[in-house]
Amino acid sequence: KQEVTQIPAALSVPEGENLVLNCSFTDSAIYNLQWFRQDPGKGLTSLLLIQSSQREQTSGRLNASLDKSSGRSTLYIAASQPGDSATYLCAVNTGFQKLVFGTGTRLLVSP
Amino acid sequence: DTEVTQTPKHLVMGMTNKKSLKCEQHMGHRAMYWYKQKAKKPPELMFVYSYEKLSINESVPSRFSPECPNSSLLNLHLHALQPEDSALYLCASSQDRSRGLNSPLHFGNGTRLTVT
Repeated sequence: KQEVTQIPAALSVPEGENLVLNCSFTDSAIYNLQWFRQDPGKGLTSLLLIQSSQREQTSGRLNASLDKSSGRSTLYIAASQPGDSATYLCAVNTGFQKLVFGTGTRLLVSP
Repeated sequence: DTEVTQTPKHLVMGMTNKKSLKCEQHMGHRAMYWYKQKAKKPPELMFVYSYEKLSINESVPSRFSPECPNSSLLNLHLHALQPEDSALYLCASSQDRSRGLNSPLHFGNGTRLTVT
């Protein structure tokens, strides 16, 4: 059974810092990995999707990497801003769009 | 603004009530999903529809009944729910499920359900 873990569970940083969020999964047989952000009481916003054949994807200040063989992905956020405060979730696609979500990292960026 | 619209945003219902959650998307996606999210937990898959046909039911109790009237709409009918069913119910959509293994999911803002 695929299990997805995110470390740390919570992170508090001052504005301007670069930071890394970690995601690990137990079964490397995945189709893709997707990073989402979720604001309190809201739905999920897709940030980046990395296909199983890719090593990384970039969008603005965000960069996600994937090492499928070791079961790890990282989300790098450059020059963090207070508006980045949210819960970040990774999800692995185990086949036919069946996503298994990680436990999430709650990020707080203070001004 | 999300491209997946869910109504209502909040719903309070008694255990004997019957209610429905609605979801709509106009992105031409042919796969639609219901997820359930408890507080401080990740979303859990409930149902998947592909081309208006139910393709995945994650052993969800029969008091939850999904319906996909057309390619843009997805409903979740609720009947005789329990207080532990209180959660955020999220709808999502994606491109064709068979061809689009690598297509991202787009989520709505959810319906916050409270069962009293």
